[in-house]
Amino acid sequence: GDSVTQMEGPVTLSEEAFLTINCTYTATGYPSLFWYVQYPGEGLQLLLKATKADDKGSNKGFEATYRKETTSFHLEKGSVQVSDSAVYFCARWGKSETSGSRLTFGEGTQLTVNP
Amino acid sequence: DTGVSQNPRHKITKRGQNVTFRCDPISEHNRLYWYRQTLGQGPEFLTYFQNEAQLEKSRLLSDRFSAERPKGSFSTLEIQRTEQGDSAMYLCASSTGTGRETQYFGPGTRLLVL
Repeated sequence: GDSVTQMEGPVTLSEEAFLTINCTYTATGYPSLFWYVQYPGEGLQLLLKATKADDKGSNKGFEATYRKETTSFHLEKGSVQVSDSAVYFCARWGKSETSGSRLTFGEGTQLTVNP
Repeated sequence: DTGVSQNPRHKITKRGQNVTFRCDPISEHNRLYWYRQTLGQGPEFLTYFQNEAQLEKSRLLSDRFSAERPKGSFSTLEIQRTEQGDSAMYLCASSTGTGRETQYFGPGTRLLVL
């Protein structure tokens, strides 16, 4: 079935370091791709999205580019802050016989940023 | 726009009891989704509604689970004869239902079955 694979965590960085969290997806159909962030004790918040190949989603200094050739949607930020500490989820939305009309999430990557 | 709300936020119950959760979506959102998230994992799809119609159910949704959205607005998720394995965060999301739209999530209901 459809799936999303994220790099294993946890990830620990110092403030102002560069962040990359890898995400790859199965290419069935033409999925939309998302990054969600989850702070402790809270639900998921949309961070950014891209709906077609070569689209770049961006928000709050985070960026991710929809790469069809490598089936990837890696999350990047040039300079992380302590307040970015959270769990990050990559997700695909696709409508097909196998995925239906739903979001399929990766396992999540715990990010801790130290001052 | 008040966002998606869920009640209760926390629920502790004993094995074998029934529990019911409520989700109020963003007003005028046609689609409503339920997901389950266990510790250290990403959310997993359970079911979704288009207005009042339940259009899809995951294999994860056993016969003990039932969801309703009677008037196409709020939804309830009931778990009968709870088991310890039901302990999880239950997340609700809503969207406009136009296609590749963003799903907006509520804060979740954390269930602990003792």
